[in-house]
Amino acid sequence: EAGVAQSPRYKIIEKRQSVAFWCNPISGHATLYWYQQILGQGPKLLIQFQNNGVVDDSQLPKDRFSAERLKGVDSTLKIQPAKLEDSAVYLCASSFAASWGMTYEQYFGPGTRLTVT
Amino acid sequence: DQQVKQNSPSLSVQEGRISILNCDYTNSMFDYFLWYKKYPAEGPTFLISISSIKDKNEDGRFTVFLNKSAKHLSLHIVPSQPGDSAVYFCAASSSGNQFYFGTGTSLTVIP
Repeated sequence: EAGVAQSPRYKIIEKRQSVAFWCNPISGHATLYWYQQILGQGPKLLIQFQNNGVVDDSQLPKDRFSAERLKGVDSTLKIQPAKLEDSAVYLCASSFAASWGMTYEQYFGPGTRLTVT
Repeated sequence: DQQVKQNSPSLSVQEGRISILNCDYTNSMFDYFLWYKKYPAEGPTFLISISSIKDKNEDGRFTVFLNKSAKHLSLHIVPSQPGDSAVYFCAASSSGNQFYFGTGTSLTVIP
């Protein structure tokens, strides 16, 4: 079974530039997550999709970050314009659909390391 | 607001001994807990989980204990092996949404 794919693996941009990350979840996984992991911290959820609908985006800085999952499969996360504090690893994860009282483990991709200079 | 805390940034254990990693949480609504293992330059890998209806879950060398009254969970690895050296994250959620992760504990198993 193929895992969660992410690209690019590394990206270096200057502040105020824009950047986009791509994620392809495991086949059959309805739920997709984007996390931001700053060095020395745990992953922080940015946005959670169930199929192509947003379940939670309460921690997404919506003035500069956007994400979409148009056909309920692949997803893109965009930052525009980037700030120095956006330097982090951006992790995509997927799971079977989470329902009340039952959850499924998340499978993570390798992440994209973003450096903003 | 850190709702999930791992207060030990690092832990060293001799090979063959028990490794105990701890995690505390503040939100009493959390009902599902997971442990992940992370190697450098890779994404976290799921290790073991426990729901709030249980107080123990075992999978081979890995056991997770949940103490709901203390809002505390721990991961026991017995016996520890050098390949277990990694960063371990605990995570918690309420009803499968909004997973919160701790800051991680770096485990080193000394041969």
